[in-house]
Amino acid sequence: NAGVMQNPRHLVRRRGQEARLRCSPMKGHSHVYWYRQLPEEGLKFMVYLQKENIIDESGMPKERFSAEFPKEGPSILRIQQVVRGDSAAYFCASSPPVAPDSGNTIYFGEGSWLTVV
Amino acid sequence: DAKTTQPTSMDCAEGRAANLPCNHSTISGNEYVYWYRQIHSQGPQYIIHGLKNNETNEMASLIITEDRKSSTLILPHATLRDTAVYYCIVRVGGSNDYKLSFGAGTTVTVRA
Repeated sequence: NAGVMQNPRHLVRRRGQEARLRCSPMKGHSHVYWYRQLPEEGLKFMVYLQKENIIDESGMPKERFSAEFPKEGPSILRIQQVVRGDSAAYFCASSPPVAPDSGNTIYFGEGSWLTVV
Repeated sequence: DAKTTQPTSMDCAEGRAANLPCNHSTISGNEYVYWYRQIHSQGPQYIIHGLKNNETNEMASLIITEDRKSSTLILPHATLRDTAVYYCIVRVGGSNDYKLSFGAGTTVTVRA
């Protein structure tokens, strides 16, 4: 997992507050993904971004959640007006540009654990 | 992604080899077999992947059957730190096949 950096590792928010989770991909990686793992469940895809573009956000909840990957700086997953059901581990992953006929590997960070109280 | 089937859990003695099976009978010709593991409270860790040939790296070996319908991940000398949930995932290589399907995986417990 070395290389994909996430912060904060742990975040506590009160209901109604905003949560911002940051992710810096591995060096040389231009593709960023966010996954969510609810307690006692498997990881679920949320969103796929490239620099300044959202490629696929089909796994994102329709409201309150947004993601960006600006030209400069880390990718941000933003959750507005958090509710208790948002408590989960949020994992960022990255991969290099796709190479033909190769299994381009996706590498994960250590995660950000959000607790909503 | 092709569906994979893994045993729910398995125990392994420390220092012995751990052999983790995975069935993927509907795998397509352009799909790779990937293995990840997730140690408690950590992110998924990439272990190894392969297409047709057996593969080996510093962490493990991957044996893929000739018909590609099943594979085995081998941890040659399991340690207590290898206790984790292991996921076998098949996905298309060379494409934006990024929605990794993490099923229940195999919970591996290494015992002293």
